[in-house]
Amino acid sequence: GAVVSQHPSWVICKSGTSVKIECRSLDFQATTMFWYRQFPKQSLMLMATSNEGSKATYEQGVEKDKFLINHASLTLSTLTVTSAHPEDSSFYICSATGTSGRAVREQYFGPGTRLTVT
Amino acid sequence: QKEVEQNSGPLSVPEGAIASLNCTYSDRGSQSFFWYRQYSGKSPELIMSIYSNGDKEDGRFTAQLNKASQYVSLLIRDSQPSDSATYLCAVNSGGSNYKLTFGKGTLLTVNP
Repeated sequence: GAVVSQHPSWVICKSGTSVKIECRSLDFQATTMFWYRQFPKQSLMLMATSNEGSKATYEQGVEKDKFLINHASLTLSTLTVTSAHPEDSSFYICSATGTSGRAVREQYFGPGTRLTVT
Repeated sequence: QKEVEQNSGPLSVPEGAIASLNCTYSDRGSQSFFWYRQYSGKSPELIMSIYSNGDKEDGRFTAQLNKASQYVSLLIRDSQPSDSATYLCAVNSGGSNYKLTFGKGTLLTVNP
């Protein structure tokens, strides 16, 4: 149990365009989802925390108008990178925690989305 | 500032040996502790969680927690080359949203 999926697994886009990444909890209800970014050979960096039906809470230094997060249901959160630039190229990973079963108190990660902006 | 410290390694052990990974944390109020394994180019995978002082065993993995010393460790018995990965220590300080603070990770290499 406690499976999280992400789509797409990789995406290439042109500078100035927007990209949407989906994160889904497949076998539990995710009351809270987290979005991380990881650059090569660096540690995970938390970007924002989202609770179902509420506005996301962004970490210091993360532009909320650039990284739009929507958590409209208990199984789906989306991250939209708006007006992407090459420096936004990174590995974006979501995680989720839920209200029942193994997902209580534990964060389970999706497989990640590799974004390349050309 | 809540901090989680890990030795970055690399930690190199021969196949079949015990690998010992260590982690300290700064927030004395921390309540939940986790070990994640991350292979190169992949996302983290939860391998152990521990909530109370003492040892918790799961297969070849044993997590140890000492809240008085603010110390958590992971032992991997009979290490295999497939255990070669970066191990991330993560700590939750008890917030209702289960936000985690991660260490920078220890790179483990198991040599055949």
